[in-house]
Amino acid sequence: ILNVEQSPQSLHVQEGDSTNFTCSFPSSNFYALHWYRWETAKSPEALFVMTLNGDEKKKGRISATLNTKEGYSYLYIKGSQPEDSATYLCGGAQKLVFGQGTRLTINP
Amino acid sequence: ETGVTQTPRHLVMGMTNKKSLKCEQHLGHNAMYWYKQSAKKPLELMFVYNFKEQTENNSVPSRFSPECPNSSHLFLHLHTLQPEDSALYLCASSQASFQGMNTGELFFGEGSRLTVL
Repeated sequence: ILNVEQSPQSLHVQEGDSTNFTCSFPSSNFYALHWYRWETAKSPEALFVMTLNGDEKKKGRISATLNTKEGYSYLYIKGSQPEDSATYLCGGAQKLVFGQGTRLTINP
Repeated sequence: ETGVTQTPRHLVMGMTNKKSLKCEQHLGHNAMYWYKQSAKKPLELMFVYNFKEQTENNSVPSRFSPECPNSSHLFLHLHTLQPEDSALYLCASSQASFQGMNTGELFFGEGSRLTVL
């Protein structure tokens, strides 16, 4: 089982500021890493699936990087907006085990 | 609308009841999953089905019994549950995974909120 850890567990950011958070995973037997956004009362929604060391992916103001050798991925949000408030989950493709999530709150 | 529909959205049951959760996907996927979200815990994988065959049982107690009659439907049959089984149960689907590995994104339903009295 892939042990996935996310930090911080919660984060409050002022609207307009940029932020980032971390997903850590064992670097051995890496296969793929998933990022999801989970808004309250909705279903988790895929942001990125990353497979290659050095991958960088971007969707609008959100981007992610992947380092499989050291076992971490960063998610960046540029110019945070209130609609970015959500829990961000990362998960390893081995049996799709997820971290506990980072709960992001954007203060207007 | 993710293409994955779960019913019921809310369920309250006693410890001696038998109930079922249903999941349906219209995305043409061949892998389906049950996850459990308990308060303040990570999303926990319960079962995985690929092409209707169970390929993963994450040491789930037998009071949870999954059924996958076809690639579009997944059930979770519940029997003699405990109050600690109260949680949000999420269904997801994806392109088929191979030996537990999956690079295709998951599409989740909105979940079934279960309360066991």
